[in-house]
Amino acid sequence: ELKVEQNPLFLSMQEGKNYTIYCNYSTTSDRLYWYRQDPGKSLESLFVLLSNGAVKQEGRLMASLDTKARLSTLHITAAVHDLSATYFCAVDTNTGNQFYFGTGTSLTVIP
Amino acid sequence: DAGITQSPRHKVTETGTPVTLRCHQTENHRYMYWYRQDPGHGLRLIHYSYGVKDTDKGEVSDGYSVSRSKTEDFLLTLESATSSQTSVYFCAISESLVRSPVFGPGTRLTVL
Repeated sequence: ELKVEQNPLFLSMQEGKNYTIYCNYSTTSDRLYWYRQDPGKSLESLFVLLSNGAVKQEGRLMASLDTKARLSTLHITAAVHDLSATYFCAVDTNTGNQFYFGTGTSLTVIP
Repeated sequence: DAGITQSPRHKVTETGTPVTLRCHQTENHRYMYWYRQDPGHGLRLIHYSYGVKDTDKGEVSDGYSVSRSKTEDFLLTLESATSSQTSVYFCAISESLVRSPVFGPGTRLTVL
């Protein structure tokens, strides 16, 4: 059974600080996806990482993938309140087209 | 926004009744998925489809069935709803592995 673990599950941080969310997975996969979800809303795609060493950046968020360690990170730089949301990572099995999600990291940025 | 809708958006039903949720897409994507979201569990895959009449089970398929008779529609049926199936249900569509699945708006189902 594929397992996708995120930590921390809850994160409260002050504006202007940096922090990293970790996503570990238990199966061989070259593809990892990050999503954002606001309360009561659907999921919004942030990043698609398709190979070992892939790095993507958008604004204050940067995601990376290490397939050998089965680890992805989502780094937050100089957090702002608008980044408050729940962040999910998801892994696609190499057999194709089954996306498994982590339990999510609830981020609260405090002014 | 990608053309993906879910209906109904909210439903309250009683234990033991059948319930069908509909996912409709206008993108002609091959792959469609049903997930449920519960606190502490993230999103869990119920069933998925890789083409018309081609479906398979996910990690939490017990108590659910699906059908896909047209590319654009993917139906999720709870044959006899139970309180443990109270959840938010999301449909997602995907055209290929190099793109993230796109999610629908969700259906909030309450089973009393």
